[in-house]
This record gives sequence, C-alpha cells and structure tokens, in this order.
Amino acid sequence: EPEVTQTPSHQVTQMGQEVILRCVPISNHLYFYWYRQILGQKVEFLVSFYNNEISEKSEIFDDQFSVERPDGSNFTLKIRSTKLEDSAMYFCASSERDSNTEAFFGQGTRLTVV
Amino acid sequence: AQSVTQLGSHVSVSEGALVLLRCNYSSSVPPYLFWYVQYPNQGLQLLLKYTSAATLVKGINGFEAEFKKSETSFHLTKPSAHMSDAAEYFCAVRGTSGSARQLTFGSGTQLTVLP
Repeated sequence: EPEVTQTPSHQVTQMGQEVILRCVPISNHLYFYWYRQILGQKVEFLVSFYNNEISEKSEIFDDQFSVERPDGSNFTLKIRSTKLEDSAMYFCASSERDSNTEAFFGQGTRLTVV
Repeated sequence: AQSVTQLGSHVSVSEGALVLLRCNYSSSVPPYLFWYVQYPNQGLQLLLKYTSAATLVKGINGFEAEFKKSETSFHLTKPSAHMSDAAEYFCAVRGTSGSARQLTFGSGTQLTVLP
C-alpha cells in the first residue's frame, strides 16, 4: 500500500542550526502538507503546497520556515535557525486532487532542539 | 474559521464495552470531517471521513461516526472495545472549497481499554 515516508525519524540539533526534514509523498498525490505536534498539544497545520507553490500557510509558518519540492519525489521543510520551541513532531502529508479526499500522513520526524 | 472540540482528553472503557468519543465542530460552511488514530510512536491513520454523502460513516476496525448537523457533532463509536483500540484519537475539520485543504485538529482523546 502506498505510504508517505519521512526521514529522519529523529533529529537532534543545536539551537540556531538549520535543519531539513524530508518527505516522500505518495506518488500520484498533488497536494503536500506539513503539520507539527508539540508534545502534549494538538496537531497544528503549518503549510500546504500545490503546483510548486505554497497554497496556504498558518501564522506559525514564518520566515524561519521554507518548503521545497526539489525533484519529482521529495518534499522538504527547512527551518533556518532553530529555536527551542521548534522541538516537536513534524508530520508530512499528501492528498489527491479531488477535494473530498483525505490526507495521508507519514510517521513523523521528532525534532529536538537543544 | 473552523474548529473542533473533543470532549474528554482521556476516556477509559472496559474491553467489550461501547466506545464513544465526542467531537463537536464549528464551521460557517458544511465541512468535511475526519477521525484519525495515532498509535504510540506512529503517524496519523485515517479511521473514517464525512464528505457530505451518507451521514452515518463506517470506518476501519469497526468504528463508525454519525454526522449530526443539528447538533454540530461527529461522535466516534465502536460497539465493543478491543485492547488494540488503545490509542489517541483526533477529530479534524476542513473546508469544502478546493483551495482550503488544511485540517484543523481537535486536542485529541486518549483511549484506554481496561482488561
């Protein structure tokens, strides 16, 4: 069964360092998303990406964050200068073109900023 | 803006008992509604979705949910709990327009199944 895959599963980084989280969405999907879940809190939307550009973003997704689809398969989230409060589980998701279809989520990357 | 409220951050049931996890939504337009489950150290897995077809939706693992517009609810039920149902359950809402695809999640309900 097709699935969204994320790498790495765990990432520890020092405050102020740049980090790139990687995702391979399901191959025929056209919409891509990043969500995060701070420990003990709800899952929050960060950004959606369609047709090689950001289609929606939340207020969390500030200038420190960027997304890219560098090739036909990968979808990345870059955090330019990490802060302690960026520590969270980051989920990538993808969905098909039809608006009534669900998003499929990856297993997540646990980011710890020290 | 859309939102969902999940009543009860923790629910405990005995094995074989009815599972009822509550979700109420707020939306200015007819929404799409979803229930996702998260097992420990895993991602979010779709249980079921409501996309304006039948109001009673059946999902995987014996779960179902009923969309009640008059009550703005989308409660998740399972007639008989199994130990393997222990997980965190998230209700989520999104708009139906093509461009607004992002999900807004509830705060989650941790389900414990007692032997």
